[in-house]
Amino acid sequence: AAGVIQSPRHLIKEKRETATLKCYPIPRHDTVYWYQQGPGQDPQFLISFYEKMQSDKGSIPDRFSAQQFSDYHSELNMSSLELGDSALYFCASSENTGVTEAFFGQGTRLTVV
Amino acid sequence: EDQVTQSPEALRLQEGESSSLNCSYTVSGLRGLFWYRQDPGKGPEFLFTLYSAGEEKEKERLKATLTKKESFLHITAPKPEDSATYLCAVQAGRDDKIIFGKGTRLHILP
Repeated sequence: AAGVIQSPRHLIKEKRETATLKCYPIPRHDTVYWYQQGPGQDPQFLISFYEKMQSDKGSIPDRFSAQQFSDYHSELNMSSLELGDSALYFCASSENTGVTEAFFGQGTRLTVV
Repeated sequence: EDQVTQSPEALRLQEGESSSLNCSYTVSGLRGLFWYRQDPGKGPEFLFTLYSAGEEKEKERLKATLTKKESFLHITAPKPEDSATYLCAVQAGRDDKIIFGKGTRLHILP
């Protein structure tokens, strides 16, 4: 079965650089969520999109932005990277039909040096 | 403020020693409660969805139950391969936000 695809799987950037993470949801899923997970931490909600519109915003820094495209894939753009941005970034997708579980990708491990 | 609290933070069991993990929640308008399993460096893997108090779901050695204030994940006769972090999440509120607990790190000793 098709799953959520994230790319790249690993990314190393220097401080003050920019990074773009991509997420391809499960086919027919119209809702995408982005989460940040630091070492030993629970996933922290960043932002979500439904039908290409931002639906909810969590603890996403102003240096980050995201969007969902017409094919429902989403990109998380991160600028002026800081050491503290090093984390696993997960994308999840779901169908927006009542209560539906979110399925997660394998994540992108971002290391800022 | 909506909150999800999991306990214990960590649990070590001998192989075959049954136990339960707890997820208590304080949210307005619970729509659903989810259990996930997460292995190190990997994305959370969906296990169960529970919608209403009294509901139970089972999968192999795992059984999830739900009351109006908490959920339990019962693990029966666990094996070393059940070692992982188990995350509880709730979908609640007007905007159906998904909120995660901090997880329980389960370690099963052979």
